[in-house]
Amino acid sequence: GAGVSQSPRYKVAKRGQDVALRCDPISGHVSLFWYQQALGQGPEFLTYFQNEAQLDKSGLPSDRFFAERPEGSVSTLKIQRTQQEDSAVYLCASSRAAMNTEAFFGQGTRLTVV
Amino acid sequence: GENVGLHLPTLSVQEGDNSIINCAYSNSASDYFIWYKQESGKGPQFIIDIRSNMDKRQGQRVTVLLNKTVKHLSLQIAATQPGDSAVYFCAENRDSNYQLIWGAGTKLIIKP
Repeated sequence: GAGVSQSPRYKVAKRGQDVALRCDPISGHVSLFWYQQALGQGPEFLTYFQNEAQLDKSGLPSDRFFAERPEGSVSTLKIQRTQQEDSAVYLCASSRAAMNTEAFFGQGTRLTVV
Repeated sequence: GENVGLHLPTLSVQEGDNSIINCAYSNSASDYFIWYKQESGKGPQFIIDIRSNMDKRQGQRVTVLLNKTVKHLSLQIAATQPGDSAVYFCAENRDSNYQLIWGAGTKLIIKP
């Protein structure tokens, strides 16, 4: 497709379960970002990839969060031993360049931990 | 950015009127600003951007104004339509860093 695609759209996980969220960026986009968005708030940065290199993971809230982009295209955000506070919408965005340029967002994955 | 939880600032505008959404930023070193629109259940959608060497930029029905003296950004939407109903976020790039820092968001409601 022409846009950023995320799957699944919705995920319900039992507390303690591991989850994997997938992002298919726009083809050819160098930069890929993951954001976490709580209800009623703006997105908060989690991590950034330039091609396959994870250049910044300073926003990941704990070592239970892990992201990868092994071939510089599709990315996966994995959350281990999910907790209730992990419930949020996880947004993926991609852009042609690293900064000062338009980032295109996917529709997000809404994660609910019960 | 400032988080307001579930209590987003709300702007109600009559259909056909102009809307002005405001945003304050804190870092004078920020050099790139973006307005995003987010409809319910969707990801943010780019509206318009502006660099710090400009004070005004126009798009289709939208205008962004940047006042660096008071660190203020505004989005003007002309002839507001029902499809403009959404939450609007401003975002800034600080110090040429790739991380976008997001404002709290303003919910725009269009009255018929």
